[in-house]
Amino acid sequence: GESVGLHLPTLSVQEGDNSIINCAYSNSASDYFIWYKQESGKGPQFIIDIRSNMDKRQGQRVTVLLNKTVKHLSLQIAATQPGDSAVYFCAEIRGGSGTYKYIFGTGTRLKVLA
Amino acid sequence: DTAVSQTPKYLVTQMGNDKSIKCEQNLGHDTMYWYKQDSKKFLKIMFSYNNKELIINETVPNRFSPKSPDKAHLNLHINSLELGDSAVYFCASRHGRAVQETQYFGPGTRLLVL
Repeated sequence: GESVGLHLPTLSVQEGDNSIINCAYSNSASDYFIWYKQESGKGPQFIIDIRSNMDKRQGQRVTVLLNKTVKHLSLQIAATQPGDSAVYFCAEIRGGSGTYKYIFGTGTRLKVLA
Repeated sequence: DTAVSQTPKYLVTQMGNDKSIKCEQNLGHDTMYWYKQDSKKFLKIMFSYNNKELIINETVPNRFSPKSPDKAHLNLHINSLELGDSAVYFCASRHGRAVQETQYFGPGTRLLVL
């Protein structure tokens, strides 16, 4: 489910099901977007990226979809595994060479149920 | 072989003290960042240095002073620590030139101000 305010949004899925994590971004001028995975006690780790001139990009078990009309990103994880349990962040990148600034979304916690 | 390392990993201190966090990267990157992650997991950029020059300085209290002695190091000094400074601080680095360069995060420094 999703919520705003005090709690980190949490998505619970059964092992083997597909997961979809959503993110809204703020700046229509942003031309590059990234999804990060943050496991407990660790720093964020790059998963997949997409440029604004694309609407879909696929990696290994992950797909990112970009809808520029409504400024929305989604991360799809196929056949979710226990190791996918983490907090997922989207980030939009602004600026130019040497001055890139990352604006992170609020994050979604993914819980994989055995 | 750690790419981005931070010291210390944990820091517990009293209000009013002054403390420093160190960051080092061995990736040959020219751009480094400091982020603050609060208890709700919100990740916010604080500073960015490119080739030892301060590029991004968000609305951060001037009790926080970054220092980059060389391209491989970015330290964060915090004066007169306050309870609200309790958070996880992440260092990150990347090549500055192209937007698609990957940003790598350190493991974080967990700061608790009592």
